[in-house]
Amino acid sequence: AQSVTQLDSQVPVFEEAPVELRCNYSSSVSVYLFWYVQYPNQGLQLLLKYLSGSTLVKGINGFEAEFNKSQTSFHLRKPSVHISDTAEYFCAVSDGYSGGYQKVTFGTGTKLQVIP
Amino acid sequence: GAVVSQHPSRVICKSGTSVKIECRSLDFQATTMFWYRQFPKKSLMLMATSNEGSKATYEQGVEKDKFLINHASLTLSTLTVTSAHPEDSSFYICSARIVIGGLSHNEQFFGPGTRLTVL
Repeated sequence: AQSVTQLDSQVPVFEEAPVELRCNYSSSVSVYLFWYVQYPNQGLQLLLKYLSGSTLVKGINGFEAEFNKSQTSFHLRKPSVHISDTAEYFCAVSDGYSGGYQKVTFGTGTKLQVIP
Repeated sequence: GAVVSQHPSRVICKSGTSVKIECRSLDFQATTMFWYRQFPKKSLMLMATSNEGSKATYEQGVEKDKFLINHASLTLSTLTVTSAHPEDSSFYICSARIVIGGLSHNEQFFGPGTRLTVL
């Protein structure tokens, strides 16, 4: 079974300051990892994903994440946040096997609140 | 990019009525679509996996007779909430997995969601 833990339910940060949103996962097999952003009353938009290769993944809107297998983490970072980054962020894991249903498990989300 | 649409975006209905929500992949074929439910300030809960031409696979605890899923074509899946009750009020989100050249990719593309309010 796979699971995702987002330890911080809410992260307030001042505009132009750096931010890190934490994500830890557990899985018995190799994993694919994702970060999604959700704006109010909207669906989810993919920020970035780790499938294989380089452990540092760059995504849209200046976000990046680093896959750390030994620590089973996939923390999301941005060096300088903007007001428009205020949203809910979800970390997700998929076991990535070919065929079948490839169930994606989501974390409980972290609300990023950027303070002017 | 791959676009998934949902219709309607918002629906208000009376208790006891049925509501149908459509999920469409606009520019790709989706043999597999997923239906999620999101409670306020909560994560997404996978309700069921919908495969084109076959019965949906429901997650434990989800009533298949209450949440009817039909995946009639490679671009359309529908979720019907039957005999809706106020506790069914929620944000329902669908997603689709892209298949290119017969290979399934490990990314789901999400629809914008449907806000259901049952009075």
